[in-house]
Amino acid sequence: AQTVTQSQPEMSVQEAETVTLSCTYDTSESDYYLFWYKQPPSRQMILVIRQEAYKQQNATENRFSVNFQKAAKSFSLKISDSQLGDAAMYFCAYSTPMYSGGGADGLTFGKGTHLIIQP
Amino acid sequence: DGGITQSPKYLFRKEGQNVTLSCEQNLNHDAMYWYRQDPGQGLRLIYYSQIVNDFQKGDIAEGYSVSREKKESFPLTVTSAQKNPTAFYLCASSIRGSGGAAKNIQYFGAGTRLSVL
Repeated sequence: AQTVTQSQPEMSVQEAETVTLSCTYDTSESDYYLFWYKQPPSRQMILVIRQEAYKQQNATENRFSVNFQKAAKSFSLKISDSQLGDAAMYFCAYSTPMYSGGGADGLTFGKGTHLIIQP
Repeated sequence: DGGITQSPKYLFRKEGQNVTLSCEQNLNHDAMYWYRQDPGQGLRLIYYSQIVNDFQKGDIAEGYSVSREKKESFPLTVTSAQKNPTAFYLCASSIRGSGGAAKNIQYFGAGTRLSVL
């Protein structure tokens, strides 16, 4: 079974600074997807960024980027120029791929990192 | 607006009672999922369905039941056999199949908070 580990229960960063959230995972698969989801106080889960395991290039979305180290099974999220609106729980998640005629069996989540932004 | 609607937002269950949480989507997604979130925990998969009239157990299916009679709807019943039902429940959906459109991305509803009276 796949597992996802987030070793930082809470992180704090000054507004406009950069912060990196850690995530490691365990799998025997070679093809999979990794995600970072954000859960603000409203508790709505919002996709931040997605990485396909077969792509070596790290995904980026505006101020958010990942450092994907497949051999080390590491998938960290870097948030640049932190803003007050970035304050939330951040969850790392793993899934097996969907193929034509098939389907994914759900996401496996880490326990989350609570990100605090200091003004 | 396309999206996933969960209702009710808050739900209370009495001892020995079954309660049903609603999840409806108008995204034309094939696959739907139910997750449970406890304080300090990540989301855990309860049940999922890839097509109508078919569903599979997730990691914590005991005490729960589902149905998938329509593509748009995937209701979750919390039965009296679930002894610790107090949690936040999230429904999600995604496109099934390969290709760029699939992307394995799951979209979530706003959740239902279930408490025991």
